[in-house]
Amino acid sequence: GQNIDQPTEMTATEGAIVQINCTYQTSGFNGLFWYQQHAGEAPTFLSYNVLDGLEEKGRFSSFLSRSKGYSYLLLKELQMKDSASYLCAVRERIYNQGGKLIFGQGTELSVKP
Amino acid sequence: DAGVTQSPTHLIKTRGQQVTLRCSPKSGHDTVSWYQQALGQGPQFIFQYYEEEERQRGNFPDRFSGHQFPNYSSELNVNALLLGDSALYLCASSLAAGQAYNEQFFGPGTRLTVL
Repeated sequence: GQNIDQPTEMTATEGAIVQINCTYQTSGFNGLFWYQQHAGEAPTFLSYNVLDGLEEKGRFSSFLSRSKGYSYLLLKELQMKDSASYLCAVRERIYNQGGKLIFGQGTELSVKP
Repeated sequence: DAGVTQSPTHLIKTRGQQVTLRCSPKSGHDTVSWYQQALGQGPQFIFQYYEEEERQRGNFPDRFSGHQFPNYSSELNVNALLLGDSALYLCASSLAAGQAYNEQFFGPGTRLTVL
């Protein structure tokens, strides 16, 4: 089956660091994506991992362990504008174009002053 | 460079009606995917179009159908609307495979309300 789990809600303080975990079980794997989605808006791309290890991009980092079916998104120096839903998505192995994304339910992050 | 565009922004329909949603992909992209996002949930894959053909399909009934035009734009049609079809419908565009990294860019979505 296909299953992607992430916490429903998290709360953190402005200026702090927060880690959002994601575990997955899918029939195939061809990359893991993290998206940010503000209420009423489209998801926007944050990071992509296809090999094990850490990918760093400014205040955001993402880690992947394929053997454990595990990823996390690390947000540093939190700002109020980081309050949003964070979506973990796995792309299935593809034989044609594009490849579908399987999303978790999203983690609603609230950043408090 | 225009990103992914969708129309309309909002739509209200009644049960049993039919609806057509439209999507124009990001410039240079040739693959369009459609997702349904219910409130408080992650997006669910409906189907994907490339070269005017449906390439992959998620677990959605035949009431959901689509089309891709030669200019790569796409339509999503939903027949016999149910209350449960109320959701945000997202269109995402990407480049064809052959590239190891082909991010999907999302449009702003169409908010469909079925009464």
